[in-house]
Order: sequence, then structure tokens, then C-alpha cells
Amino acid sequence: EVQLVESGGGLVKPGGSLRLSCVASGFSFISSTMNWVRQAPGKGLEWVSSISISGDYIYYTDSLKDRFTVSRDNAKNSLYLQMNNLRGEDTAVYYCARATGFQQLDSFDYWGQGTLVTVSS
Amino acid sequence: IQMTQSPSSLSVSVGDRVTITCRASQTIDNYLHWYQQKPGKAPKLLIYAVSALQSGAPSRFSGSGYGTEFTLTITNLQPEDFATYHCQQTYSTPRTFGQGTKVEIK
Repeated sequence: EVQLVESGGGLVKPGGSLRLSCVASGFSFISSTMNWVRQAPGKGLEWVSSISISGDYIYYTDSLKDRFTVSRDNAKNSLYLQMNNLRGEDTAVYYCARATGFQQLDSFDYWGQGTLVTVSS
Repeated sequence: IQMTQSPSSLSVSVGDRVTITCRASQTIDNYLHWYQQKPGKAPKLLIYAVSALQSGAPSRFSGSGYGTEFTLTITNLQPEDFATYHCQQTYSTPRTFGQGTKVEIK
């Protein structure tokens, strides 16, 4: 069974930091480009970041690249998102998601259940 | 690349035919995918590459289009289809999504 399990969300004050984790099982994590997607309350989906199989290629949405850092540990089947200097507008459910690869044009076929990050004083 | 969905919501009845449109601000060839999301749940891939049904997706869902204009059609809407639908392009980074279309019960 495919599973992506996020953790690390919670309540944090503005200016604070959080590190999200996503542990994968049931598919070949080391062969998969991984992504973070977030969804603010009542809003649409926003792609945050992607990281290639080896970690050599990393992309961010422009507005976040100075504060967020994505990484992975293939030995632990784990994806991470370090979030610094958090703001109220970062309040969202954060999902990790797998990209399918070229055969399915990099659509996102596996998603975690999400972890809620709330930024508030 | 900006993705614009219309309408943002619609009220329909079981058995209806539903059409949702997604427009890209520049050509994305066929790098267009559709996701279904139910309240409190993660999105689920429904259709990839414009018209290819993801494994397990019902055949009442179909997609069409190319370039900048795309359509998701649901024929004979079922109770379990009431959800929010998102389009996404993976032609380039950032991998942008449309704002979502909520399909509600009339």
C-alpha cells in the first residue's frame, strides 16, 4: 500500500520556524521526484517546491524561495521542508506529493494526508 | 503560467452533465491534469495529460483540449462526485494550479 505520511505541523508564532517531514512507503521513493503543495484555509492548491531524485534539481515558487528549503534523505525514504521566518499567510495544510515522471507528464499521483501549519501570535 | 478555471462553483443535480473549463495563460501543450478533492481530504489525481484516466477513475470523467484551453466533463453526475476540481499544468515550473471549481448539490 502506498503511503505518504506528513508530520511536523503545528502552531508557531510569526517569525518562527518549523520543519515538516514526509515519510514514504509502498513505492520507489528513490526513483521519484517529490513535491510540497499547500492549501490555505478555504483556498486553492499552491505548489511550493519540488526536488529531483538525487536532490540535484530543486525548485520553489518565487515568493517562498528565500524562506523555505526542501531536502530529502533517500536512505530514510523521507522528504523535508524547512520553513523559516513564518508569516500568517503561510498558514495552510501542507501536502507532500509524488510526481509520476515523464510517462504521465509529471502529474501528482500520490499525496499525503497533509499537516496543518498555523502561524499566529 | 497562470491557470484560470471557470466557473468557480456550480450547483447541479445527480444525473446532470457537468463541464469545467481551465485556461492557461500560455501554451502548455498537453501537460494538463485534473484532481478531485473532497472536504478534509487530499487531492486525488483523476485525469492526466488532458484526457488519460488515472487508474481507478470512473469512465464518466473525461477531458479534452490542447494548448491553452481544456475541459473536464462529468457525465451522469453521481453523489460521490460532489467535490472540488483543480486543474494543474506541469509544462513548466512553478507547477501552477487553477483556483478550483466546487461542484455542489442543487
